[in-house]
Amino acid sequence: QKEVEQNSGPLSVPEGAIASLNCTYSDRGSQSFFWYRQYSGKSPELIMSIYSNGDKEDGRFTAQLNKASQYVSLLIRDSQPSDSATYLCAVNSQAGTALIFGKGTTLSVSS
Amino acid sequence: GAVVSQHPSRVICKSGTSVKIECRSLDFQATTMFWYRQFPKQSLMLMATSNEGSKATYEQGVEKDKFLINHASLTLSTLTVTSAHPEDSSFYICSARVATGTAEAFFGQGTRLTVV
Repeated sequence: QKEVEQNSGPLSVPEGAIASLNCTYSDRGSQSFFWYRQYSGKSPELIMSIYSNGDKEDGRFTAQLNKASQYVSLLIRDSQPSDSATYLCAVNSQAGTALIFGKGTTLSVSS
Repeated sequence: GAVVSQHPSRVICKSGTSVKIECRSLDFQATTMFWYRQFPKQSLMLMATSNEGSKATYEQGVEKDKFLINHASLTLSTLTVTSAHPEDSSFYICSARVATGTAEAFFGQGTRLTVV
């Protein structure tokens, strides 16, 4: 059974702080890793993808991947109240197959 | 990103009736689409993989005769919930990939189904 684990939270950070979201996965053959943001009642929105070990930065977001540790994380710098949402980690082991999602971490950014 | 359109966004139906949900890729061709279901405060659970021109592949525990999937063209997949019951009330979301070998998936807006 392929699994993706996330701390459900809630993770609370003050506005302007760095939010750190973590995810582990069980399938060592996983090749593609994604972070989605989901607002309540809405469908997920892709914010980051990462395919190789190391860091990938896009604006205020940085994804980090460590395949040896089967760990992927998302850092959100200068957190804003509008970042308050559930962040879903998703993993894909094989091209053409579906993404496997974690349960999500709820982030709350207070102003 | 690529645009996936899902319709309707909300539907209320009576127990025992059927509901059809459409998922369209608007600006790309999708040979594979995926259907997920999400209950409140839960993650997305994959229901089935929809392949254009062939039968859908269902996940374990998902009744293929209850959740009928048709993927007749490269831009349209439909999910029909047959003989709906209140326990089928959920948020149904489709997703599609832009191209083979690309793992990025884009999601439709989701359909909130309420069975009364």
